[in-house]
Amino acid sequence: EAGVTQFPSHSVIEKGQTVTLRCDPISGHDNLYWYRRVMGKEIKFLLHFVKESKQDESGMPNNRFLAERTGGTYSTLKVQPAELEDSGVYFCASSQKSNYGYTFGSGTRLTVV
Amino acid sequence: GQNIDQPTEMTATEGAIVQINCTYQTSGFNGLFWYQQHAGEAPTFLSYNVLDGLEEKGRFSSFLSRSKGYSYLLLKELQMKDSASYLCAVRGASGYSTLTFGKGTMLLVSP
Repeated sequence: EAGVTQFPSHSVIEKGQTVTLRCDPISGHDNLYWYRRVMGKEIKFLLHFVKESKQDESGMPNNRFLAERTGGTYSTLKVQPAELEDSGVYFCASSQKSNYGYTFGSGTRLTVV
Repeated sequence: GQNIDQPTEMTATEGAIVQINCTYQTSGFNGLFWYQQHAGEAPTFLSYNVLDGLEEKGRFSSFLSRSKGYSYLLLKELQMKDSASYLCAVRGASGYSTLTFGKGTMLLVSP
C-alpha cells in the first residue's frame, strides 16, 4: 500500500507570496491531519478532516492558512500571504478511523525568506 | 494545558540498552504513542500504551504509568540504525484524536 504522500518536499518562497502544500493520504483513510514543526519546537496540531469536513481546526494559527479537502481525497494547505514565522516542516497524516494510530508523510519543508 | 517533557539528547553504544523517559501533564488522556523519526523522513509508529504496564515489541518496549504521568521507551541491543529522534505523543480525551507531541529525544548510537 502506498504511504502518505506530500509535495513539494521543499519550498522556498519570499515573504508575502502564496504557497500551496498538498497531501495524498492512504487510500480509504477518512481521517486526514495536518501538523507543523517550527524549528526548535515540538510538532503541533493544525487541523483534522473527516472525509471532506473539518472536524477540528483549533490549531490553525490564523486566517492566512486555508485547508481544503474537496471530495474527501487529497488535501491542500494554502498559506497566503506567507510570513517569516511560517517557516517549518508541515506534516500530513492519515488514519482509517479516528481512534487509530496515524501514518505520517515525510513532510514539506517550507522556508519563507 | 498540555505539557510533555523528554530529554533533548541521549547517547549510547551499539549493543547496549537505553531508556528514554517521557513525562506528561495533559487535560484528559486517551493513550500515549512513541514515534521514531530519522532526519528528513516521516515519523514512524513504534508503540501505543493506553493502560498501565509494559508493552513489548521485539527490541522495543514501552511502559506507562497513568497515575504518575510517566512513560518510557526501552530500546535493547542497540544498532547504529537506531540513531534517530524519538517522539513521545499523548492523545487527549478532549481532542478527539489530536496528538500533543514532546520536542523529541535525539538518540545517537556510537560503535
